[in-house]
Amino acid sequence: SYDLIQPPSVSVSPGQTAIITCSGDRLGNKYVNWYQQKPGQSPLLVIYYDTKRPSGIPERFSGSNSEHTAALTISETQAVDEAVYYCQAWDNSNGVFGGGTKVTVL
Amino acid sequence: QVTLRESGPALVKPTETLTLTCNLSGFSLNTSEMRVSWIRQPPGRALEWLARIDWDDHKVYNILQATRLTISKDTSKNQVVLRMTNMHPVDTGTYYCARTTANFSPYYYYMDVWGRGTTVTVSS
Repeated sequence: SYDLIQPPSVSVSPGQTAIITCSGDRLGNKYVNWYQQKPGQSPLLVIYYDTKRPSGIPERFSGSNSEHTAALTISETQAVDEAVYYCQAWDNSNGVFGGGTKVTVL
Repeated sequence: QVTLRESGPALVKPTETLTLTCNLSGFSLNTSEMRVSWIRQPPGRALEWLARIDWDDHKVYNILQATRLTISKDTSKNQVVLRMTNMHPVDTGTYYCARTTANFSPYYYYMDVWGRGTTVTVSS
């Protein structure tokens, strides 16, 4: 089965940039989506097709994907961005999620 | 407004079959870009994708769970149903359904609207 690997946690100061990575074999050949999940809430799509932002998602969220690593970047991080972030890709039509990265805004 | 709402039993016994229903509102599964996925999340753990059904009744299952899963749709009721057989305590968690929208050129898809989830506990 296909695996996506994320760091368990990332810490960032308010106003600074948080970068969350997602690694997988030849991940650059797939399209990556990112979801934000706050405690007690359903996941929320924040990036799709590697770099696209859904309507209503702030511009400080951006994505990239190349070779074996995709990344979600949160610029000028705010306290409201504290959450768990999951990357997701499709492998032969099967959905695969990363293990999630908890972003803590110190 | 697009919404999805999951429903089903809160408690099932080991070896029983779980049946969950996802009620769709604001969209229907009768256009080519529409799909619905089921995803679950054990307490305190990561998301796990389970299955997807497309507008044309094409179905895809998590390879590791495929023998236990059946996904179906009733377009007239705007519902998607997931059945999971032989439930075990490790299947305890929150089960979500999510609208899965496709783009065709290039071809990609993503889960853009999620339900609130329904919590299932497997215990005797």
